[in-house]
Amino acid sequence: SQTIHQWPATLVQPVGSPLSLECTVEGTSNPNLYWYRQAAGRGLQLLFYSVGIGQISSEVPQNLSASRPQDRQFILSSKKLLLSDSGFYLCAWKGFGEGDRETQYFGPGTRLLVL
Amino acid sequence: QKEVEQDPGPLSVPEGAIVSLNCTYSNSAFQYFMWYRQYSRKGPELLMYTYSSGNKEDGRFTAQVDKSSKYISLFIRDSQPSDSATYLCAKAGGYNKLIFGAGTRLAVHP
Repeated sequence: SQTIHQWPATLVQPVGSPLSLECTVEGTSNPNLYWYRQAAGRGLQLLFYSVGIGQISSEVPQNLSASRPQDRQFILSSKKLLLSDSGFYLCAWKGFGEGDRETQYFGPGTRLLVL
Repeated sequence: QKEVEQDPGPLSVPEGAIVSLNCTYSNSAFQYFMWYRQYSRKGPELLMYTYSSGNKEDGRFTAQVDKSSKYISLFIRDSQPSDSATYLCAKAGGYNKLIFGAGTRLAVHP
């Protein structure tokens, strides 16, 4: 079965510091991978998605970047964090539901607080 | 107008009540839908998946799709305190993406 891991679970960082969040998937190969941010009490905002190694699509212009150095590894980074980067960061992979129609499965998330 | 609209609530009901959670959508392309349940400080978990008009049941949960009205619903029968969570509806958006509603926060009190 497939599992998805994210770390760290919680992170408190000062403004202007760098960021690196990691996501890894087990039990599947060459998955589509996604990074979302969820602000408090709000929905999911798609930040980046990747269909393969080195292939990154950015959904919104921002202070963050993503990389996919390995097939099942997806990394979210920032050189200098802003207060507005605080939120709950979720990684997801694309799977298939009934009728082979696509869906997404989420990791446990990383809670980031920028002070 | 957002492509998927969902009332954020919060919705508070007594234990045992029937809960109705609703979303509307605007784009008729890629009409398959998902409901996710998200407990506090956890990642969303896929609850139900449907692509046909009509009802789909899974235990106490029923997903309903009305494509003519572009309306999707999730019903929870005999609600329990353990059902207290945020429920997110999602619709396939094409190009490997899902479009999510804002989520409805549900509280079931004993």
